[in-house]
Amino acid sequence: GQQVMQIPQYQHVQEGEDFTTYCNSSTTLSNIQWYKQRPGGHPVFLIQLVKSGEVKKQKRLTFQFGEAKKNSSLHITATQTTDVGTYFCGIQSGTYKYIFGTGTRLKVLA
Amino acid sequence: EAGVTQSPTHLIKTRGQQATLRCSPISGHTSVYWYQQALGLGLQFLLWYDEGEERNRGNFPPRFSGRQFPNYSSELNVNALELEDSALYLCASRLDKLWNTDTQYFGPGTRLTVL
Repeated sequence: GQQVMQIPQYQHVQEGEDFTTYCNSSTTLSNIQWYKQRPGGHPVFLIQLVKSGEVKKQKRLTFQFGEAKKNSSLHITATQTTDVGTYFCGIQSGTYKYIFGTGTRLKVLA
Repeated sequence: EAGVTQSPTHLIKTRGQQATLRCSPISGHTSVYWYQQALGLGLQFLLWYDEGEERNRGNFPPRFSGRQFPNYSSELNVNALELEDSALYLCASRLDKLWNTDTQYFGPGTRLTVL
C-alpha cells in the first residue's frame, strides 16, 4: 500500500537555527497537508499544497511541494521556542484512507 | 464556528471493561475519522465514517468499533479493554469531498487510561 516516509524523526536545534522536515511518498500525490502538534495538544492543520512545485509561506514557515508531487518539505527559519512540537504530513491514500507521516519531533533549545 | 468537540476529555477504565468515546464534527462536515495515538508515537488510523457509513478501518481488532449518527456525530466503542489500549484518541472531521480538500480538523482528543 501507499506509504509516506518522514525524516528526520527527531531534531534538536538551538534557538535561531533553521529546521527542515521532509515527507516522501511512494506514489504521486494529488495534494498533501501539514499539521503541527504541540506537546500535550492535538494536531492542528497548517497548510495544504496542491500544485507541482508549489511554495507557500507562513511567516517563518516555508512549505514546498516537489515537481513530481512525490515529496514535500517544511522549513522553519530562525526557530523559536514556540516552534516546539511534532510536525506531521498527511496524505489521502486511496478513496477512503488518510495516512500521516511518522512525524518529526522538534525541540528548540533556548 | 465551533470546532470539533470530543467527550470525555479523560477516561479511566479497568482491563476488560468497555469504553465509549464521542465526537461532534464541525458543522457541515460529513466525514469523521478516528485515530489512536499512543504516548510519544504517531497517529494510527482507526476508522472513517462518511454519510453514516463506515468507509474504511485500520489494522485494529474488531473490538474497536463505532458508528456515525444522522447528525454526523460519531461514537467509538472499545470492548474488552486491554492495557495497551491506553492512548489519546483523536477525532477529526473533513469537509465534503466535493470541496476538493483533504484537510482534517482535529478535536482535542480523549485520553483513555486502562488500569
